[in-house]
Amino acid sequence: AQSVSQHNHHVILSEAASLELGCNYSYGGTVNLFWYVQYPGQHLQLLLKYFSGDPLVKGIKGFEAEFIKSKFSFNLRKPSVQWSDTAEYFCAVNPRMDSSYKLIFGSGTRLLVRP
Amino acid sequence: EAQVTQNPRYLITVTGKKLTVTCSQNMNHEYMSWYRQDPGLGLRQIYYSMNVEVTDKGDVPEGYKVSRKEKRNFPLILESPSPNQTSLYFCASSLTSGEQFFGPGTRLTVL
Repeated sequence: AQSVSQHNHHVILSEAASLELGCNYSYGGTVNLFWYVQYPGQHLQLLLKYFSGDPLVKGIKGFEAEFIKSKFSFNLRKPSVQWSDTAEYFCAVNPRMDSSYKLIFGSGTRLLVRP
Repeated sequence: EAQVTQNPRYLITVTGKKLTVTCSQNMNHEYMSWYRQDPGLGLRQIYYSMNVEVTDKGDVPEGYKVSRKEKRNFPLILESPSPNQTSLYFCASSLTSGEQFFGPGTRLTVL
């Protein structure tokens, strides 16, 4: 079955530290990839997305992600986190050859940034 | 403003009392879906709809019903809620790429 794994369930960082959140998926075909962010008490918002082309994609608020096809990974990075980045982050995969609208989510990573 | 709306935002009810959570989108999207979010489990899809009068089960459909009589609306129905349906529910509408636009969420507590 298709699945998305986020290995870090909880991450605690100090402000200005660098961030990398791992995401791996199990699907052999072509995929669209997403990172969503959920700030405390809010709904999910799109952080960035990858459909094709340059595997390094830039999103909002200084986030970026790199698609490594050979590793089935789409890791999220930010060079210097801020207290306002405290949120839960979800990786999601759309298997393009399957139902074209379906989105499979990882279990999420809770990030706490200490001032 | 393009958006997905849900009502109510918060609901406390008792076991067995039928309830409906409404969802509406103004982006003319064909695809809509319902998710529940539980700690440590991420988002799990309950039901989805590819278009008007076309619905199908997601990963956790037991205890839920949906209908899609109009393109913009996709209500979630709990005929006989139970405590294990206490959760945070999100409605979403989608582009064909899979990119989904989420509503603000409905926090449901079933006593």
